[in-house]
Amino acid sequence: DAKTTQPNSMESNEEEPVHLPCNHSTISGTDYIHWYRQLPSQGPEYVIHGLTSNVNNRMASLAIAEDRKSSTLILHRATLRDAAVYYCIHTSGTYKYIFGTGTRLKVLA
Amino acid sequence: DAGITQSPRHKVTETGTPVTLRCHQTENHRYMYWYRQDPGHGLRLIHYSYGVKDTDKGEVSDGYSVSRSKTEDFLLTLESATSSQTSVYFCAISGGLAEQETQYFGPGTRLLVL
Repeated sequence: DAKTTQPNSMESNEEEPVHLPCNHSTISGTDYIHWYRQLPSQGPEYVIHGLTSNVNNRMASLAIAEDRKSSTLILHRATLRDAAVYYCIHTSGTYKYIFGTGTRLKVLA
Repeated sequence: DAGITQSPRHKVTETGTPVTLRCHQTENHRYMYWYRQDPGHGLRLIHYSYGVKDTDKGEVSDGYSVSRSKTEDFLLTLESATSSQTSVYFCAISGGLAEQETQYFGPGTRLLVL
């Protein structure tokens, strides 16, 4: 099964950039990397996804290592509303999302 | 936001009773999923559906059954609830099985089995 490794928790100051790392050493060439976040008492929310090149959207940027065995979610200016658990997932040619325990991001005012 | 609702949002039941949770979507998406989330764990897939009347098991399917008689509704049934099924249940939908397909999640149902 596709398994990712993330730090359990991270802290950031408000309005500073945050880099959330993820290792996915079992990834294969056609697996997409997805990032979701889960705010307290809510369902997971899609953030961004990519395959090989770096990706940007209105929420975040995704930097993918050249060997694709790691990626970094970048929040350019953290706000208090970004405090959540962030999950990195990659599929393995199937429908399966294998969620790890994610990274709990704390944003300090 | 994707049009996904779950009902009920909260439920308390007793061990041995049947329980049915409903997921309803207005997006006409083909794929629907049921996950559970427990403290210290990420979400784990229970069952999924790839079309009307087409369902398959996920990684934690024991004790659960599902049905999908219409595109918009996906039901999760606990035939005889146990305390180990106390959890938060999330429904998700996606347009397809392609690896880049994003899944969209509902707000969750919090179930307590006494």
